[in-house]
Amino acid sequence: GAVVSQHPSRVICKSGTSVKIECRSLDFQATTMFWYRQFPKQSLMLMATSNEGSKATYEQGVEKDKFLINHASLTLSTLTVTSAHPEDSSFYICSARDSRTGRYEQYFGPGTRLTVT
Amino acid sequence: AQRVTQPEKLLSVFKGAPVELKCNYSYSGSPELFWYVQYSRQRLQLLLRHISRESIKGFTADLNKGETSFHLKKPFAQEEDSAMYYCALQGGGAQKLVFGQGTRLTINP
Repeated sequence: GAVVSQHPSRVICKSGTSVKIECRSLDFQATTMFWYRQFPKQSLMLMATSNEGSKATYEQGVEKDKFLINHASLTLSTLTVTSAHPEDSSFYICSARDSRTGRYEQYFGPGTRLTVT
Repeated sequence: AQRVTQPEKLLSVFKGAPVELKCNYSYSGSPELFWYVQYSRQRLQLLLRHISRESIKGFTADLNKGETSFHLKKPFAQEEDSAMYYCALQGGGAQKLVFGQGTRLTINP
């Protein structure tokens, strides 16, 4: 089946530094990937839609200059949290759709736990 | 605006009992509705989609446009059904999903 990986699974960084999270579709191509944020005991909130070869589409209230998204290939999207602050600590999850099949299903990554100290 | 509401954060039933997880949505057009499930220490995965009208792991869900609901049902709960369940909506031509708050289902032995 379609598999999405994320790296790293956990990261701790100091306030003011930047952190990059990778999302890869391992056995399929994805022109579109999605980035979500999940706070403890809460639902997934879509942050942005990542489009291969073009700019990401950010949801209302999400700072595009703070959460940089790059989707340079059909199998890789990256989310960079710039100048991280403790309030950015969260669980970040990506998902991807299989471009070839056009199926509706989104395949989710395992998530990345970011802790900003 | 698109909105998905799952009124129950927690739901606990005994093994063998029927279970129903409620989901209501708000959307002006014709939505696509999904149920996603997250088992302990696993990633989110699709359980079922309303258009498929299929039963997965004994679960079914019927889209009721009049009541704007998409409740998930299973006649006889099993312990392995214990998980977090999310109802999600995809509206119009948008590819993005809007998730409900989730319901944690616990099946007691």
